[in-house]
Amino acid sequence: DAKTTQPNSMESNEEEPVHLPCNHSTISGTDYIHWYRQLPSQGPEYVIHGLTSNVNNRMASLAIAEDRKSSTLILHRATLRDAAVYYCILMSGAGSYQLTFGKGTKLSVIP
Amino acid sequence: EAGVAQSPRYKIIEKRQSVAFWCNPISGHATLYWYQQILGQGPKLLIQFQNNGVVDDSQLPKDRFSAERLKGVDSTLKIQPAKLEDSAVYLCASSHIIKRGYGYTFGSGTRLTVV
Repeated sequence: DAKTTQPNSMESNEEEPVHLPCNHSTISGTDYIHWYRQLPSQGPEYVIHGLTSNVNNRMASLAIAEDRKSSTLILHRATLRDAAVYYCILMSGAGSYQLTFGKGTKLSVIP
Repeated sequence: EAGVAQSPRYKIIEKRQSVAFWCNPISGHATLYWYQQILGQGPKLLIQFQNNGVVDDSQLPKDRFSAERLKGVDSTLKIQPAKLEDSAVYLCASSHIIKRGYGYTFGSGTRLTVV
């Protein structure tokens, strides 16, 4: 699977928007971009995914660059519950559809 | 819908002992994964099942780890004998039959401490 690069950590104030960046310069045309997050002492949970167009759901928005070499996960109003490790993952277009996790970005939310 | 169930939640064993973890995936999910997560790292895939067949076990240390998925539903992961470096959280996940983009659902994991 293609590799992603994320900052190790970020901070945000509560109730402010958060933009979590991810670089994936070697992405192939059929790779989907997935975001998962892992709250303390829990398994990862699905946040959002996309291919080319920007995506919105109840949890977040995903903005994908036109060349697809980077993406940004947007949390519109950070809450204390959003403090977690956020993983940006590319899912291969062929074969086994496995999630390969990197180290992710640890998001801290300041009250 | 009910989530992915895992047990036990915690386990402490001495090195060279054996241990087994159990996973019950979401009903109807054909694909099941076991991941190992060492403290401070992202989860690492150990094995992937499609129904009751193994799709990928290339990262499973087969000299000590084994896994099975009987009847394409529940799964067990076993370590025998355990080493200190096996201390980690073992996560089970399941997903619908292959469709790129579908969200995967993870259990809360089993935290193993080997002393």
